[in-house]
Amino acid sequence: GQSLEQPSEVTAVEGAIVQINCTYQTSGFYGLSWYQQHDGGAPTFLSYNALDGLEETGRFSSFLSRSDSYGYLLLQELQMKDSASYFCAVRITDSWGKFQFGAGTQVVVTP
Amino acid sequence: NAGVTQTPKFQVLKTGQSMTLQCAQDMNHEYMSWYRQDPGMGLRLIHYSVGAGITDQGEVPNGYNVSRSTTEDFPLRLLSAAPSQTSVYFCASSRPRDTQYFGPGTRLTVL
Repeated sequence: GQSLEQPSEVTAVEGAIVQINCTYQTSGFYGLSWYQQHDGGAPTFLSYNALDGLEETGRFSSFLSRSDSYGYLLLQELQMKDSASYFCAVRITDSWGKFQFGAGTQVVVTP
Repeated sequence: NAGVTQTPKFQVLKTGQSMTLQCAQDMNHEYMSWYRQDPGMGLRLIHYSVGAGITDQGEVPNGYNVSRSTTEDFPLRLLSAAPSQTSVYFCASSRPRDTQYFGPGTRLTVL
């Protein structure tokens, strides 16, 4: 089967850097995605890694290492508006390509 | 371009009642999915569709039915509501192997 593990909560101050790790067990997947969800809102796409390595999108970066079954999302120059839940997800290859989500990491940014 | 829309935003049902959650997308996406999200948990796949007339079960399909008669619409039917179905329901759409776009969600309470 497939499972994705991520920490339940991370707290950091404004301006800091936060890394959210995602370790997975899956037989095969197309890539690792990250989604952001604010309280009461819908998940929105942040970043995608199809290949090993680092992808950078503004203050957010995401990394994937298939050999280590590991990825992470890096949030830099934290702002109060970054307080949200962050989910990693994989699109598995043994069916139509459906998504499997981690349980999410609550990021709390303090002044 | 409205993206993915869901109705209603909120719903309260009594145990045993039935209802349909509506989902529509105007991006001509082939793939559509229904997820439920419970506190402290990630998104769990209920049912999905890879095109009009083609649907399949996800991780937690019991108590729910779907059909897909058009590319745009993918309604989710609760046959006989139970308190365990109290949750937030998200509909999502995508192109094959592409990122998913989520609707705003329906918050359902079953008494």
